[in-house]
Amino acid sequence: KAGVTQTPRYLIKTRGQQVTLSCSPISGHRSVSWYQQTPGQGLQFLFEYFSETQRNKGNFPGRFSGRQFSNSRSEMNVSTLELGDSALYLCASSLDPTGRASYEQYFGPGTRLTVT
Amino acid sequence: KNEVEQSPQNLTAQEGEFITINCSYSVGISALHWLQQHPGGGIVSLFMLSSGKKKHGRLIATINIQEKHSSLHITASHPRDSAVYICAALEGDMRFGAGTRLTVKP
Repeated sequence: KAGVTQTPRYLIKTRGQQVTLSCSPISGHRSVSWYQQTPGQGLQFLFEYFSETQRNKGNFPGRFSGRQFSNSRSEMNVSTLELGDSALYLCASSLDPTGRASYEQYFGPGTRLTVT
Repeated sequence: KNEVEQSPQNLTAQEGEFITINCSYSVGISALHWLQQHPGGGIVSLFMLSSGKKKHGRLIATINIQEKHSSLHITASHPRDSAVYICAALEGDMRFGAGTRLTVKP
């Protein structure tokens, strides 16, 4: 089975722009979670989607949004980029057949976003 | 105070040594994850546990729900085990520890 894929792998944007990142989960996985990793804050949870619905959300401003499609692929969007949004953005998928969210997560390679 | 605390922050060991990384959490959880991150960013999930003990090869993870504490042990450490190890508590969302940077010298 193919692993979790994320596109693009690297991205450079300018302050004020917006960006969309994409995540394709492992086939059959219904849950997709997004994380931000920075040297200062470490790993932080952004949001989680299950069957096209946002199930959980972390403590990030409304500029960060996401969605999940019927094929479980997910996108996250950051509007009005700030310098502090420079980070590695990781997504992870989980089988989660019962919807109870306590299933092993498989991480993608991440998208490294640089905001200048 | 962080909800998930890891210790030590940095750990250097000689090849073959037994290694223990500790994780304490203050929130109620449905599961605790141990993750491994190599230079370059790739993250691998090592264990997900909600009780007891799990073993995979030279890696062992334990959790004590009453004491809100988990440990990751590496037996017969090897330089390829050098990585950052992160524990994460799952309850709705995921709360991460700051990570333990392990260096195993040959």
